[in-house]
Amino acid sequence: AQRVTQPEKLLSVFKGAPVELKCNYSYSGSPELFWYVQYSRQRLQLLLRHISRESIKGFTADLNKGETSFHLKKPFAQEEDSAMYYCALLNTNAGKSTFGDGTTLTVKP
Amino acid sequence: NAGVTQTPKFQVLKTGQSMTLQCAQDMNHNSMYWYRQDPGMGLRLIYYSASEGTTDKGEVPNGYNVSRLNKREFSLRLESAAPSQTSVYFCASRGYSPLHFGNGTRLTVT
Repeated sequence: AQRVTQPEKLLSVFKGAPVELKCNYSYSGSPELFWYVQYSRQRLQLLLRHISRESIKGFTADLNKGETSFHLKKPFAQEEDSAMYYCALLNTNAGKSTFGDGTTLTVKP
Repeated sequence: NAGVTQTPKFQVLKTGQSMTLQCAQDMNHNSMYWYRQDPGMGLRLIYYSASEGTTDKGEVPNGYNVSRLNKREFSLRLESAAPSQTSVYFCASRGYSPLHFGNGTRLTVT
């Protein structure tokens, strides 16, 4: 069975501080992992995916298969980063995505 | 190009009433999904449709039915609403990889 764990429900940092949102997964196959972001009262939208190996809005995430992790990082948090962040795993065979419970990030001025 | 469109945006139902949530996508995606979002529980998959003509249960299908009307449309029906179905419902579609979400329907069952 596939599972995604985000251990922190709430995370609060000051503007300019580094931020790391943790994500761990369990999956028997080769995972395809994503981070989605939901700003207040808006739809969820893709932030980044591991296969792209890109940086979006200053965020990066590296897939660590040994630790089964896909942590999201940003060196200098901004107030506009305040949002709910979801880590998700796509089972490409079944076509289903499993989401973690989400982490609410608050960036204080 | 509207993406994924959900209607209605808000709905209040009384226990036992029925309703259908509508979802349509204009991206020619094969797969469509219905999730519910509850505080502290993240997104849970209700039903999905990997392709036109097929539907499958997700994690929390009880109390719901779906119809993949055509490639564009995927509706979610509550036959007899219960307070436990108070939630925000998101429809999503997928072509190759990432999900594209609608704006959500906020449903309250009293």
